[in-house]
Amino acid sequence: GQQLNQSPQSMFIQEGEDVSMNCTSSSIFNTWLWYKQDPGEGPVLLIALYKAGELTSNGRLTAQFGITRKDSFLNISASIPSDVGIYFCAGFSTGGTSYGKLTFGQGTILTVHP
Amino acid sequence: EAGVTQSPTHLIKTRGQQATLRCSPISGHTSVYWYQQALGLGLQFLLWYDEGEERNRGNFPPRFSGRQFPNYSSELNVNALELEDSALYLCASSIFRGTFTGGSPLHFGNGTRLTVT
Repeated sequence: GQQLNQSPQSMFIQEGEDVSMNCTSSSIFNTWLWYKQDPGEGPVLLIALYKAGELTSNGRLTAQFGITRKDSFLNISASIPSDVGIYFCAGFSTGGTSYGKLTFGQGTILTVHP
Repeated sequence: EAGVTQSPTHLIKTRGQQATLRCSPISGHTSVYWYQQALGLGLQFLLWYDEGEERNRGNFPPRFSGRQFPNYSSELNVNALELEDSALYLCASSIFRGTFTGGSPLHFGNGTRLTVT
């Protein structure tokens, strides 16, 4: 089945630093989504990307839909303690048995030291 | 606007029992998705319902089943519970417009924590 490879698995950074994480796949996706999950809660949507090459920002967050449609990255600038959490990439495909299925990456655990 | 609501928040069962988890989607959303998140792992797709029909299911055994009601709320049933079924079960809802040309973002509830002893 489809798989998303998300890296890095974890990051330990100082407050104020920039963060970058990415996802790659062997399959083409039509939509890329980035979510953040805090302990004990469900994932919350951060950014949605719908077109290859699209670059979208949401405050200090910036994400891009790769031109090959097989990858995406998320950048967080000037990190703050509340950025701590697990970040997931996710992709939608329209084909075959993956019809309508949102596939998730393994997650990046972000720790921010004050 | 109320978000996706799930009940119960926690559920403790013993091996062999059945569990029923419930989900109410955001008003106006017709699609409901179920995901399993085992401790330390990513989200694994279980089921997708839209307009009362099962549209797709993940690689889970048949003892994982569900349904969607006319008001678009949904139930996930897990029969013959096994220890490895212990996980956070997340429900999400979205708008589905009849053809899948792209993804309408999923909005998640806070999940039901199922513990099987």
